[in-house]
Amino acid sequence: SQQGEEDPQALSIQEGENATMNCSYKTSINNLQWYRQNSGRGLVHLILIRSNEREKHSGRLRVTLDTSKKSSSLLITASRAADTASYFCATVIGADGLTFGKGTHLIIQP
Amino acid sequence: EAGVAQSPRYKIIEKRQSVAFWCNPISGHATLYWYQQILGQGPKLLIQFQNNGVVDDSQLPKDRFSAERLKGVDSTLKIQPAKLEDSAVYLCASSFSENTEAFFGQGTRLTVV
Repeated sequence: SQQGEEDPQALSIQEGENATMNCSYKTSINNLQWYRQNSGRGLVHLILIRSNEREKHSGRLRVTLDTSKKSSSLLITASRAADTASYFCATVIGADGLTFGKGTHLIIQP
Repeated sequence: EAGVAQSPRYKIIEKRQSVAFWCNPISGHATLYWYQQILGQGPKLLIQFQNNGVVDDSQLPKDRFSAERLKGVDSTLKIQPAKLEDSAVYLCASSFSENTEAFFGQGTRLTVV
């Protein structure tokens, strides 16, 4: 069963703009992770945020976590064509494995 | 550091045939996952190993799918017999522990005809 649900399902923006994707989940988590998948490729880990953290940064990426609302957001600033990909949130609950959502497909228009 | 290795990259089989996928995780990673990803969907966890023990196989169709992780290192996933709906990319991932980031292989694209 899927735990995280990303929103929107698809997003198209102009190069240079910021992109925001959201993830909602249902039960208490150990941590939440964001991954990127380029077409036909494997998944690449972006950021891991633990349940006791509220915000993390990595380069042009910013992730927030609101455990009271059971939601997280991924912000990509100053988008580039190479950011075109599918983005997935994945949750870890107890000793269970990573459970992925359906993803947000991001298209950066040149 | 070598990544997660999977083979084969592509496989085409007829329905009712059997197929096996192989995964070599990153050295030292205790946790190993197998995922099934159908086109346009997110990865679905099939089975999670911690060393050579199964932690979660609740979504593994056990009537046709089996997996093992010998000596807590390499792993194989087998489908027997295959159905048309098994057409998907099968992803292997490993992590140091169940609470750390996972590293994915390139996957095996299976087509059942």
